[in-house]
Amino acid sequence: ETGVTQSPTHLIKTRGQQVTLRCSSQSGHNTVSWYQQALGQGPQFIFQYYREEENGRGNFPPRFSGLQFPNYSSELNVNALELDDSALYLCASSVDSQETQYFGPGTRLLVL
Amino acid sequence: KNEVEQSPQNLTAQEGEFITINCSYSVGISALHWLQQHPGGGIVSLFMLSSGKKKHGRLIATINIQEKHSSLHITASHPRDSAVYICAVLINFGNEKLTFGTGTRLTIIP
Repeated sequence: ETGVTQSPTHLIKTRGQQVTLRCSSQSGHNTVSWYQQALGQGPQFIFQYYREEENGRGNFPPRFSGLQFPNYSSELNVNALELDDSALYLCASSVDSQETQYFGPGTRLLVL
Repeated sequence: KNEVEQSPQNLTAQEGEFITINCSYSVGISALHWLQQHPGGGIVSLFMLSSGKKKHGRLIATINIQEKHSSLHITASHPRDSAVYICAVLINFGNEKLTFGTGTRLTIIP
């Protein structure tokens, strides 16, 4: 059984660009949640996908969008990058939306 | 005011000491998680609990739903326990989402 994986591990972009981050959920998990963790802060909930549908969203603007595929892997897309988008982006998968979440190693994004 | 507050923010202790990290929350929740984050970002889920107490090895987590408070205890602490410990609550307002505390940075000195 493989754990949660994320790609890429690190990424550098410039302001205004677009980025796609990827997450492969743990086998048997149908729910993926995405979080943004700024330096020195706790993670902030971006959104959650359950069986390919968005199942909740935090206080992030529409330029943060997501997708969940039939194999339950997921993408996080961020358009029109801003400097404040620099953070560690974490995804977590779970068997169901109320079950224990298993976190991936994160993607560290730097926006210059 | 944050919905989830942790204390202390930083904690340094000698190897072998008994460690307590506290978490208070101000909203109704369906469950509370204790997470461990090592340098580099990897997060490991330690406990998910909605009542009472759970124990795993040297780690003990308790929760008091009426008082909206949880504690994470580490017995016989070891330098490898050095990490950031994060409390996160599952707030159920129709859409399930985890709300995180800012974490407690624990350093255990040999």
